[in-house]
Amino acid sequence: EPEVTQTPSHQVTQMGQEVILRCVPISNHLYFYWYRQILGQKVEFLVSFYNNEISEKSEIFDDQFSVERPDGSNFTLKIRSTKLEDSAMYFCASSESWEPYNSPLHFGNGTRLTVT
Amino acid sequence: AQKVTQAQTEISVVEKEDVTLDCVYETRDTTYYLFWYKQPPSGELVFLIRRNSFDEQNEISGRYSWNFQKSTSSFNFTITASQVVDSAVYFCALSIISNFGNEKLTFGTGTRLTIIP
Repeated sequence: EPEVTQTPSHQVTQMGQEVILRCVPISNHLYFYWYRQILGQKVEFLVSFYNNEISEKSEIFDDQFSVERPDGSNFTLKIRSTKLEDSAMYFCASSESWEPYNSPLHFGNGTRLTVT
Repeated sequence: AQKVTQAQTEISVVEKEDVTLDCVYETRDTTYYLFWYKQPPSGELVFLIRRNSFDEQNEISGRYSWNFQKSTSSFNFTITASQVVDSAVYFCALSIISNFGNEKLTFGTGTRLTIIP
């Protein structure tokens, strides 16, 4: 079964550095998402992306964050200047359409980001 | 706004016991979807089930069963004859289609289930 692939599985970075988390969604999917889970807490929606633009973002997704689909296969999340509180597991997800019953979200295995 | 409440933070049961994880949700939308995900210690999110708001039929899949009751806004999850491999954090989630045409999941805070051998 096709799956959403995230790399790296674990990223360690220093505070203030830029980091790019990469995701390869399922190939025929059109909707892309990033979610975040701070250790021990719930999973939170960050942003959704469709037709090469952000369709919705949460208040967590401030100017330090950006998303891009640079080449038609990758979907990236960039954090421009990381803070300690950005340490979390970041999940990428994709779906074929907006209709969740027929096209459920597929989550990747996550990238654990540690900011030191 | 949507809200999902999982009041049980942690549950421990002895292997082979049955255990029920509670989930209560709030939404003003009439069309919504409910999910359960399992998160093992390795961290990934494992999809277990999805129900839509128009389908209140309970579902059984092996040792897992789900009880959806719209009248009480609950979507509870029962594991029968629990096994050590069931130890994980379980998340209940609700999704709606936003005004922007995309699906957005709201997760509960999770229940950490420990099965004692």
